[in-house]
Amino acid sequence: DAKTTQPPSMDCAEGRAANLPCNHSTISGNEYVYWYRQIHSQGPQYIIHGLKNNETNEMASLIITEDRKSSTLILPHATLRDTAVYYCIVRRDFQGGSEKLVFGKGTKLTVNP
Amino acid sequence: DTAVSQTPKYLVTQMGNDKSIKCEQNLGHDTMYWYKQDSKKFLKIMFSYNNKELIINETVPNRFSPKSPDKAHLNLHINSLELGDSAVYFCASSHHGVGYNEQFFGPGTRLTVL
Repeated sequence: DAKTTQPPSMDCAEGRAANLPCNHSTISGNEYVYWYRQIHSQGPQYIIHGLKNNETNEMASLIITEDRKSSTLILPHATLRDTAVYYCIVRRDFQGGSEKLVFGKGTKLTVNP
Repeated sequence: DTAVSQTPKYLVTQMGNDKSIKCEQNLGHDTMYWYKQDSKKFLKIMFSYNNKELIINETVPNRFSPKSPDKAHLNLHINSLELGDSAVYFCASSHHGVGYNEQFFGPGTRLTVL
């Protein structure tokens, strides 16, 4: 699976949008971009995923560049409970194959009051 | 209702002992996983089972033996515990195959080996 690069830490003011970048310049055509987060002392939590189109759900939006070499996770109105480590993961999605998640170091997002 | 549950939440034991961590999911998933998160917070896959069959084994020492009595359970047995086994162990589950994307994680078991 392709490697990803994320800033080690970011800060965001409560109520503002948090934009978390991720570089995945070696991504292949059949690889998806996934985002998970891990709130302190809890198990990782799925946020969103996408292939090439922008995606939005109740938690966040995912913007993938046209060349697919980078993406941005957007939390539109960050709250204190969004303070967590955010992981950008690139992996294939094919029937019958392994579905392991390869976690990098992630971005530690701190939402400040 | 808890989707993925693990017991115990905390486990403190001496070197050389044998211990087990249990995992259960009530989501009807057919694939279950064990991940290890070490003191540096790196989260790594250890095992994956699909329909009780081992499909991923990430070069984990054979002191670690997963056991899946049925699709809803994946237990982790660890023999001859070592100091380096101290970590947080997470169980997860998912559907297998195209179109099923999300892995659901349990709350973790913090293992401390003294």
